[in-house]
Amino acid sequence: DTEVTQTPKHLVMGMTNKKSLKCEQHMGHRAMYWYKQKAKKPPELMFVYSYEKLSINESVPSRFSPECPNSSLLNLHLHALQPEDSALYLCASSQEFLEQGGTGELFFGEGSRLTVL
Amino acid sequence: GQQLNQSPQSMFIQEGEDVSMNCTSSSIFNTWLWYKQDPGEGPVLLIALYKAGELTSNGRLTAQFGTTRKDSFLNISASIPSDVGIYFCAGSDRDDKIIFGKGTRLHILP
Repeated sequence: DTEVTQTPKHLVMGMTNKKSLKCEQHMGHRAMYWYKQKAKKPPELMFVYSYEKLSINESVPSRFSPECPNSSLLNLHLHALQPEDSALYLCASSQEFLEQGGTGELFFGEGSRLTVL
Repeated sequence: GQQLNQSPQSMFIQEGEDVSMNCTSSSIFNTWLWYKQDPGEGPVLLIALYKAGELTSNGRLTAQFGTTRKDSFLNISASIPSDVGIYFCAGSDRDDKIIFGKGTRLHILP
């Protein structure tokens, strides 16, 4: 069982909807990540939060808006998405971000499968 | 950006066979990680490597961090049905980002 919990597991939304993906970890990790994974492709980094501050934004379109309310929670707010945004969205955490001396060992959730109609 | 070249893309083997896959980079990596992803799940860390030349085992899995710091391999001995899945190498680049190889799909023939 993964210690990173993502909800919902599946989400179907229209292009005009506003929805959110949620991620929670209780391992005391200080770095949290959003990755996007298309079918038969590797995960691609979207955002990194370290100590609740946004450390990396990989030039992700503004229709994706991350939020880190506290060290255990990470949200991804979705608005005006396109069909090509349909993918598996993976949340991960690590003890520390690499820049802060972390090891790079990421613990992933099971993902939220998003379909945009 | 930096890229990881992972090979082979897919493998079809008989149960009980040994498996070998590798990853190369055009630039130096500070950390090499090997993950396995089952359908409908997130990647799970198998082995982490931190020093050039390091050889680490985890049960039937063995991985090595290449001495040039530009490559790594993963071996699986005596494969079993639950080894089926996608294996990703990953590394930390100079910008402290973890990037993933394209994956090796392992199939076990009945």
